[in-house]
Amino acid sequence: RKEVEQDPGPFNVPEGATVAFNCTYSNSASQSFFWYRQDCRKEPKLLMSVYSSGNEDGRFTAQLNRASQYISLLIRDSKLSDSATYLCVVNIHNNNDMRFGAGTRLTVKP
Amino acid sequence: GAVVSQHPSWVICKSGTSVKIECRSLDFQATTMFWYRQFPKQSLMLMATSNEGSKATYEQGVEKDKFLINHASLTLSTLTVTSAHPEDSSFYICSASGRVGAFFGQGTRLTVV
Repeated sequence: RKEVEQDPGPFNVPEGATVAFNCTYSNSASQSFFWYRQDCRKEPKLLMSVYSSGNEDGRFTAQLNRASQYISLLIRDSKLSDSATYLCVVNIHNNNDMRFGAGTRLTVKP
Repeated sequence: GAVVSQHPSWVICKSGTSVKIECRSLDFQATTMFWYRQFPKQSLMLMATSNEGSKATYEQGVEKDKFLINHASLTLSTLTVTSAHPEDSSFYICSASGRVGAFFGQGTRLTVV
């Protein structure tokens, strides 16, 4: 089993749509979880951390389910500018050694 | 502003030559930095963990004699791709991690011709 697995995608959605990504992790002791956004040929940038109680930042909502060992990212009212690859990142050994999911490509169309 | 600076952002080199990539943490001291490689349409793959003042820890399948990592200070780690070949052409990214997440360098796009 991979350390971090993501929905394969790609997701092609119209503007205004709501889209959700899931990500599962293998190490139940993992403590830190993040969603990153990566634009083509650029470095990943932190989108949001994921907290146990779930957290929201504008149109973006992140959830953590420890029992099932998955995290999710919900994007509401998609914008064209949301088109990117979204990476699930887990600090699996709690030593700041981040492991990445394969990424999910999102394309928002007019 | 950037907290991790990576240089160069792109480089083209001839097959057989060596290329050095620098990664600097600007606002904090990084005892540990990480080096990743990303091939087109693939995810970031961890190559090695760079520890200040000691030898790097390499992931399985990564040749330590080909990808030389030096982390001589708390703010600088370097990756040297030795005797580069076209198959080494890739996007290389460093990162330093802190409590609030990982901060990435801008990445280096290496093309070996």
